[in-house]
Amino acid sequence: EVQLVESGGGSVQPGGSLRLSCLASRFSFSQSWMTWVRQAPGKGLEWVANINTDESDKNYADSVKGRFTISRDNAKNSLYLQMNSLKVEDTAVYYCARGHFGMDIWGQGTTVTVSS
Amino acid sequence: DIVMTQSPDSLAVSLGERATINCKSSQNVLYSSDNKNYLAWYQQKPGQPPKLLFYWASTRDSGVPDRFSGSGSGTDFTLTITSLQAEDVAVYYCQQYYSTPRTFGQGTKLEIK
Repeated sequence: EVQLVESGGGSVQPGGSLRLSCLASRFSFSQSWMTWVRQAPGKGLEWVANINTDESDKNYADSVKGRFTISRDNAKNSLYLQMNSLKVEDTAVYYCARGHFGMDIWGQGTTVTVSS
Repeated sequence: DIVMTQSPDSLAVSLGERATINCKSSQNVLYSSDNKNYLAWYQQKPGQPPKLLFYWASTRDSGVPDRFSGSGSGTDFTLTITSLQAEDVAVYYCQQYYSTPRTFGQGTKLEIK
């Protein structure tokens, strides 16, 4: 079964950092655009960032630009999101997803809580 | 940024009846070079990640029941569920992938009347 599994979430104080990981299995990760999407408690979906297959194209939402960095390691079938200077409003479930034109595989999400 | 606006915000429909959700983009998402609408629809059930229903506005993803249909072009799009089933209770989102940031609509909550 094709699968994405996120990890790395947790509780952090404002201004802190976290690194999220997403491990892909049973599909060609190295040939797939990948995306991070987040969902604040009780709110809708927010696109965060995406990355192409060889890391030459990375895009970010304005809300995270300059603070978050998306990256990948195709040898490890892994996607990452380095989150620095975290704010209370970054509190959300973070999903990784496969796809460039519609996201067809999603992980179960990892929860990030930013609170003092 | 392209703003995606869904209507209504919530909807209650009787079992077996039709449900219609609308999505309007602030800019055209029809790419002239390939004549494709860069729009997707997702279904999210409580406690679950989103599930892709349609891409290119009307191409059904694998395994999506044919009571679901996607239509529209340019700036106006519709998700229709004919003969609503209990398992269709969910929040539905549209998303444009014409440009970054790849914005979502605010979501439409579908319930049983």
